[in-house]
Amino acid sequence: SQQGEEDPQALSIQEGENATMNCSYKTSINNLQWYRQNSGRGLVHLILIRSNEREKHSGRLRVTLDTSKKSSSLLITASRAADTASYFCATGSFGSARQLTFGSGTQLTVLP
Amino acid sequence: KAGVTQTPRYLIKTRGQQVTLSCSPISGHRSVSWYQQTPGQGLQFLFEYFSETQRNKGNFPGRFSGRQFSNSRSEMNVSTLELGDSALYLCASSLGGQGLDEAFFGQGTRLTVV
Repeated sequence: SQQGEEDPQALSIQEGENATMNCSYKTSINNLQWYRQNSGRGLVHLILIRSNEREKHSGRLRVTLDTSKKSSSLLITASRAADTASYFCATGSFGSARQLTFGSGTQLTVLP
Repeated sequence: KAGVTQTPRYLIKTRGQQVTLSCSPISGHRSVSWYQQTPGQGLQFLFEYFSETQRNKGNFPGRFSGRQFSNSRSEMNVSTLELGDSALYLCASSLGGQGLDEAFFGQGTRLTVV
């Protein structure tokens, strides 16, 4: 079953703009990971944020986590056409840390 | 360091047949998890193996099974294939402790059941 929902389901922006995707989840978690998937291929790991962290950066990526609201956001700055992909959040819960529960994904299209 | 390797990349099988998919984790990783991805259900957890033992299992019928070898490589088997088993099957590799480590995925095996 899907733990969370990504919002929006689809996002289309121009190259150079920022893209923000949101993820909500339902149960307590010990970490949250973001992944990228290109056209039905494998998942590429982007970033992991732990439940005791509020913000994390990696290159052009910024992830925030608000455990009180059970939500996370992924910001991609200065987007490129190569960022076009589906983005998923995945949560790991206490007691089942190796079982990831995925959201439904956001399809990001970056127009050149 | 080599990534997660899944073989084969593509498979076409007939209803009623069985299939075996293989996953080689990142060197040093002891946990392998399997996921099924379909357009309708999204990404769903199948099972997870650590040190040759199944630690966790998702809500799938018994036709779906797996195993892990002493070198951490894992296989999953689907018996009596149904059309609805057509999907992208992904395996994930992680260190596997109770810590908060990342899970890295392979390119997946695209299974088509006809």
